[in-house]
Amino acid sequence: SQTIHQWPATLVQPVGSPLSLECTVEGTSNPNLYWYRQAAGRGLQLLFYSVGIGQISSEVPQNLSASRPQDRQFILSSKKLLLSDSGFYLCAWSADRYEQYFGPGTRLTVT
Amino acid sequence: QQQVKQSPQSLIVQKGGISIINCAYENTAFDYFPWYQQFPGKGPALLIAIRPDVSEKKEGRFTISFNKSAKQFSLHIMDSQPGDSATYFCAASGGYNFNKFYFGSGTKLNVKP
Repeated sequence: SQTIHQWPATLVQPVGSPLSLECTVEGTSNPNLYWYRQAAGRGLQLLFYSVGIGQISSEVPQNLSASRPQDRQFILSSKKLLLSDSGFYLCAWSADRYEQYFGPGTRLTVT
Repeated sequence: QQQVKQSPQSLIVQKGGISIINCAYENTAFDYFPWYQQFPGKGPALLIAIRPDVSEKKEGRFTISFNKSAKQFSLHIMDSQPGDSATYFCAASGGYNFNKFYFGSGTKLNVKP
């Protein structure tokens, strides 16, 4: 069966510090991978998605970036965090263009 | 432009009642419509999904009704239970950018015992 991991689970970072969130998927090959952000009590904002290694589509221009160094690894990064980057970051995967499965999320607080 | 509009924003239902959440979409090329359930502090979980070749899909107490001509779909939760209290999101995908999912803004459901 397939599983998706995200770490860390929670993170508190000062403004201006760098960020690296990691997502890995097990039990499948060549998945589509997604990064979403969810502000408190709000909906899901698609940040990036990838259909293959090195292929990244950016949905929202901001100080975040994504990379896919391996088939089942998706990384979300920032060089300098802003207060507005606080939120619940969710990674998701899909084997085809239909069922999409979410990870447990990372709660980021920028102070 | 919001591709998928969801209502209501919040919903209170008595135990045993029927919860109904509605979504409307813009893009007629959408061909996959999932619903997700999210508990506080957790990632959304895929609940049920429908494709436009059928007008209804039922899984246990959860039913999706789909109206292609009206570009609307809804989630019905029969015999609602306190354990169903969560936030529900509808979504849609398809068309040119078929790998991208468009989510509604969410409905917070509270089922009172």
